[in-house]
Amino acid sequence: DSGVTQTPKHLITATGQRVTLRCSPRSGDLSVYWYQQSLDQGLQFLIQYYNGEERAKGNILERFSAQQFPDLHSELNLSSLELGDSALYFCASSVAPGGGNEQFFGPGTRLTVL
Amino acid sequence: AQSVTQLDSQVPVFEEAPVELRCNYSSSVSVYLFWYVQYPNQGLQLLLKYLSGSTLVESINGFEAEFNKSQTSFHLRKPSVHISDTAEYFCAVSDPNTGNQFYFGTGTSLTVIP
Repeated sequence: DSGVTQTPKHLITATGQRVTLRCSPRSGDLSVYWYQQSLDQGLQFLIQYYNGEERAKGNILERFSAQQFPDLHSELNLSSLELGDSALYFCASSVAPGGGNEQFFGPGTRLTVL
Repeated sequence: AQSVTQLDSQVPVFEEAPVELRCNYSSSVSVYLFWYVQYPNQGLQLLLKYLSGSTLVESINGFEAEFNKSQTSFHLRKPSVHISDTAEYFCAVSDPNTGNQFYFGTGTSLTVIP
């Protein structure tokens, strides 16, 4: 158990809908990362927050947005969903944003768009 | 931006045989290097990392990786694999010059055959 929690574990929805994925980092970690893992694209970095502020942006679509709240939990919002958004979404956390800090991964949320 | 290449997408190996999982990254500037392991239906877990110092790093379960700056490689090796090593292995690079963004390879699926 990494200490990072993600809810829900599974999510099934239809095209055009909007969903919210939630992540609680490990106790004491200030930095949160979101990743998308799909069979054809592998593990893609989406976005990172540190202490409530956006820190780095990767291959995140404009239909996707995220935020980190004062209690440090984070939410990833996916809207106007398409079939291709079906994937495993991971959240990770680290104590600080420095590149040498280990990222601890949550168990993931499996999103299926029908 | 960095890119990470894992040359083998699938590696089958017999139990107790040695294995090497290859990883190359694009930039020759100073980077941090990581190997993560993903067991079925779980999130990623850190296996080992190189930040600085000795170029050979080891994990607690018998894996080791060697940082080779001239070849921009960080291959993962184990002299004798067990059934329990069956998993997906991801190489990752973090470039301190870009803060903390992690770049992951596409993964290598290691299957240990009894």
